[in-house]
Amino acid sequence: EPEVTQTPSHQVTQMGQEVILRCVPISNHLYFYWYRQILGQKVEFLVSFYNNEISEKSEIFDDQFSVERPDGSNFTLKIRSTKLEDSAMYFCASSLKAGTSGKETQYFGPGTRLLVL
Amino acid sequence: AQKITQTQPGMFVQEKEAVTLDCTYDTSDPSYGLFWYKQPSSGEMIFLIYQGSYDQQNATEGRYSLNFQKARKSANLVISASQLGDSAMYFCAMREGLAAGNKLTFGGGTRVLVKP
Repeated sequence: EPEVTQTPSHQVTQMGQEVILRCVPISNHLYFYWYRQILGQKVEFLVSFYNNEISEKSEIFDDQFSVERPDGSNFTLKIRSTKLEDSAMYFCASSLKAGTSGKETQYFGPGTRLLVL
Repeated sequence: AQKITQTQPGMFVQEKEAVTLDCTYDTSDPSYGLFWYKQPSSGEMIFLIYQGSYDQQNATEGRYSLNFQKARKSANLVISASQLGDSAMYFCAMREGLAAGNKLTFGGGTRVLVKP
């Protein structure tokens, strides 16, 4: 069964460093997302991406964050200068469609656990 | 106001019994979708079941069923015949209206522990 993959599974970085989290969405999906989950808290939306551009972003997704689909398969989240509070599990998700067809179900990857020291 | 409320932070259930996880939501948009995800201790988010706001029937997927009460704005997940592997966090989520984009808003989750 197709699945979303993410690399790395864990990343430790120093405050102020740049990190790039990578995702390979399900191959025929068109909509891509990043969410994060700070330890013990609820999952929070960061950004959605469609047709090579951001379609929506949350307040969390400030200028330190960027997303890119550099080729036909990868979808990346870059944090330019990490802060301690960026420590979280980051989930990539993809969906075939948007809307109300029932095909807008978002399938999540296994997550990247980011620790900023 | 909370968009998605899960009032049960944790529950115990006996193996082979059914368990109901509560979820209430708040939206003024007539078009929305409701989702349940399972998060085991390993951390991944596993999609379980979907209910659209216009669906006439309650959704079912194997041992999972959704008790959708639109007037009450509730979408409770029922897990029948609980198994030890059902021990996990369970999140209710909503995609709210077409104008609001496609983001999911999650509840705080319910931790389920299945006892042998």
